[in-house]
Amino acid sequence: QKEVEQDPGPLSVPEGAIVSLNCTYSNSAFQYFMWYRQYSRKGPELLMYTYSSGNKEDGRFTAQVDKSSKYISLFIRDSQPSDSATYLCAMISDDKIIFGKGTRLHILP
Amino acid sequence: DVKVTQSSRYLVKRTGEKVFLECVQDMDHENMFWYRQDPGLGLRLIYFSYDVKMKEKGDIPEGYSVSREKKERFSLILESASTNQTSMYLCASNTLRAEAFFGQGTRLTVV
Repeated sequence: QKEVEQDPGPLSVPEGAIVSLNCTYSNSAFQYFMWYRQYSRKGPELLMYTYSSGNKEDGRFTAQVDKSSKYISLFIRDSQPSDSATYLCAMISDDKIIFGKGTRLHILP
Repeated sequence: DVKVTQSSRYLVKRTGEKVFLECVQDMDHENMFWYRQDPGLGLRLIYFSYDVKMKEKGDIPEGYSVSREKKERFSLILESASTNQTSMYLCASNTLRAEAFFGQGTRLTVV
């Protein structure tokens, strides 16, 4: 079983819709979670960092962590064409950072 | 504003050349990482360093070495470049258990 599972997509949604991106993980030692956005041929850009179960909101983005289910989500409200990118989840255990393979998201104008 | 800077955006090198990729961070982070990213394979850890002169192998260290002589600088070395090392190389840094920040990436082509 892979440590982090993330659906690669592509996920296509109409502009203005709510987007839900998800990752599951198997290692209960993961305590810190991140979401990154990566545009083509660029480095990943940190969107959200959280370490507790529950929700964390930043503008149109909400990160949700459910440690009991080993499941994390990123919600994007009022999606825009500029949100089209690959979204990576990441988890920290001790000094190592483990990444999902990323979900490609297309927002259709 | 936090900053991780990679020395080159694009590089083209010949097979057998020794290649140096440089990464500098200005956040006084203890940890620095080198990843490569390939379609369908995601981010794979090559090496990481948790302190000056310290290094740990990641998942795919073969064909690579690293150097960390100063806290802010972490170098990736391809001893003898091969075509299967054509990839996007990403440097990242963080402090213990905190969020990590990435550089802009170096797209290396080995011909």
